[in-house]
Amino acid sequence: QKEVEQDPGPLSVPEGAIVSLNCTYSNSAFQYFMWYRQYSRKGPELLMYTYSSGNKEDGRFTAQVDKSSKYISLFIRDSQPSDSATYLCAMTTNAGNNRKLIWGLGTSLAVNP
Amino acid sequence: EADIYQTPRYLVIGTGKKITLECSQTMGHDKMYWYQQDPGMELHLIHYSYGVNSTEKGDLSSESTVSRIRTEHFPLTLESARPSHTSQYLCASSLTGPQYFGPGTRLTVT
Repeated sequence: QKEVEQDPGPLSVPEGAIVSLNCTYSNSAFQYFMWYRQYSRKGPELLMYTYSSGNKEDGRFTAQVDKSSKYISLFIRDSQPSDSATYLCAMTTNAGNNRKLIWGLGTSLAVNP
Repeated sequence: EADIYQTPRYLVIGTGKKITLECSQTMGHDKMYWYQQDPGMELHLIHYSYGVNSTEKGDLSSESTVSRIRTEHFPLTLESARPSHTSQYLCASSLTGPQYFGPGTRLTVT
């Protein structure tokens, strides 16, 4: 079983919909949680970065971390066709100098006009 | 905004050639990483460095090698390219938090 599980989709929604993307994890030592967006044939782009539990909002994006359930979510409000991409979750422990990230497989999202 | 650069962006090369993929960052990040990613597939860490003169192999075995002589520079070398090396190679760097990625090099070995 992988340390981080993410449904690869694909997920297809109409423009304007609220999108919910999720990852579950097994390592309770994870403290730092990230969401990246990756367009086809490009490098991943950092969207959201949260430490420990709680919510963080940035424009149309909201990241949630529920450490008790080992579950993180990314919500996209008023989704746009330009949001069509693969979304990857990543996380790491607070283990000193170790900054290797553990990655989800990524969820492919298509927002249809 | 991250400033991390990779060259070349695209490379088509014949079997047996030696190649070096360049990665540079201007943010003073001490940690740098190389990932390999096939189209539509997951990221695989192949090399990382936590500072000058420090390099480690990643989770995916790779025939490539890396060096870290300067903080800002982390080149990846393939001594003898093979068709199985065809993939996208992504470089990233970090300081205390998340990793920031370059645009990638798409390598095709014929």
